[in-house]
Amino acid sequence: NAGVMQNPRHLVRRRGQEARLRCSPMKGHSHVYWYRQLPEEGLKFMVYLQKENIIDESGMPKERFSAEFPKEGPSILRIQQVVRGDSAAYFCASSRAGVNEQYFGPGTRLTVT
Amino acid sequence: AQSVAQPEDQVNVAEGNPLTVKCTYSVSGNPYLFWYVQYPNRGLQFLLKYITGDNLVKGSYGFEAEFNKSQTSFHLKKPSALVSDSALYFCAIYPNNDMRFGAGTRLTVKP
Repeated sequence: NAGVMQNPRHLVRRRGQEARLRCSPMKGHSHVYWYRQLPEEGLKFMVYLQKENIIDESGMPKERFSAEFPKEGPSILRIQQVVRGDSAAYFCASSRAGVNEQYFGPGTRLTVT
Repeated sequence: AQSVAQPEDQVNVAEGNPLTVKCTYSVSGNPYLFWYVQYPNRGLQFLLKYITGDNLVKGSYGFEAEFNKSQTSFHLKKPSALVSDSALYFCAIYPNNDMRFGAGTRLTVKP
């Protein structure tokens, strides 16, 4: 049973470019969460999605950031016009419905130069 | 607001000694509490959770945690630490749709 998959593992973008991060949840999981982690800090919730629905995006910046979880295919976190402050590790997690533990992917480390 | 706090940034123990990583919570209603571990350049791994039932919860790798309602705590414990337990540990609470994480505690186990 493959775990949560994220790609790419490392992503380098110049300021102003777009970053697109992908997440495939564990088999049987219908809930996807995105978190951001700065070095030596905890995880900050960004967005919670179910298939074709954004359930809670209260942690996501209002501008430049968007997320989707289409009916088919992986969840995508998109960051437009990246800035240096976007450099961080972005983790995706998935879970079954209800109050259940979340399983995390290995993360995508975004570096903005 | 529902949240967790990890009062210690760093915990150092000698191999073979018991370890405790502290976590306190603030919640209205019943808390759903979790512990995760993060190794360098890796995602978080689930260790254990408290939803309801016994106050002592056993998890992966010999870890356990004790839910204490009167002290609003959920400390992570292990009777005998291993060098390989050295990692970043996160306490988390599940108040609504998302998991709220503490700032993390870096555990270092010295041989």
